[in-house]
Amino acid sequence: KAGVTQTPRYLIKTRGQQVTLSCSPISGHRSVSWYQQTPGQGLQFLFEYFSETQRNKGNFPGRFSGRQFSNSRSEMNVSTLELGDSALYLCASSPGDRNTGELFFGEGSRLTVL
Amino acid sequence: GQNIDQPTEMTATEGAIVQINCTYQTSGFNGLFWYQQHAGEAPTFLSYNVLDGLEEKGRFSSFLSRSKGYSYLLLKELQMKDSASYLCAVRGDYKLSFGAGTTVTVRA
Repeated sequence: KAGVTQTPRYLIKTRGQQVTLSCSPISGHRSVSWYQQTPGQGLQFLFEYFSETQRNKGNFPGRFSGRQFSNSRSEMNVSTLELGDSALYLCASSPGDRNTGELFFGEGSRLTVL
Repeated sequence: GQNIDQPTEMTATEGAIVQINCTYQTSGFNGLFWYQQHAGEAPTFLSYNVLDGLEEKGRFSSFLSRSKGYSYLLLKELQMKDSASYLCAVRGDYKLSFGAGTTVTVRA
């Protein structure tokens, strides 16, 4: 069974630009969560999608948004990039049952903002 | 929100035992997880506790006390490949939040 796939793996942007990251969950998984990982802050929860609906949201500004498609694939977008947005963005999928919790992570998209 | 605290770094010798503590505060507790993350790789699931007590899985064990908001991950018979970051994560109000991680270095 294929794992969680994230694209692109690496990208470089400049301040003010916007970026879209993509995540394909494990087949059959309906929940996709996004996390930002930085050396100082660790893994910070961005949002979770389930059946095309945002089920939960972390404490990030409105520049961070996401969506989920009918095939469970998800995208996240960051607009008006700032230097502090440089991070590893991890996507994780799960079957969606809220009473269990094992997440399966992708390799991440490493964003550098110059 | 959730507050999750764990030590930043720990060092141990190959073959020894290391215990990584995690304390947390959360509302709507619905499970505590431990993940392992090697440098440059994605986190991988190690264990899940939702009831008080000890869960053993091979060389790794995880303990939970909900009344104390406390968990630990016990790594036995340490191997060099166990050098990694160990992340404590708490599900509260159906949102999974992670601690900053504990970097474990195993020395020969």
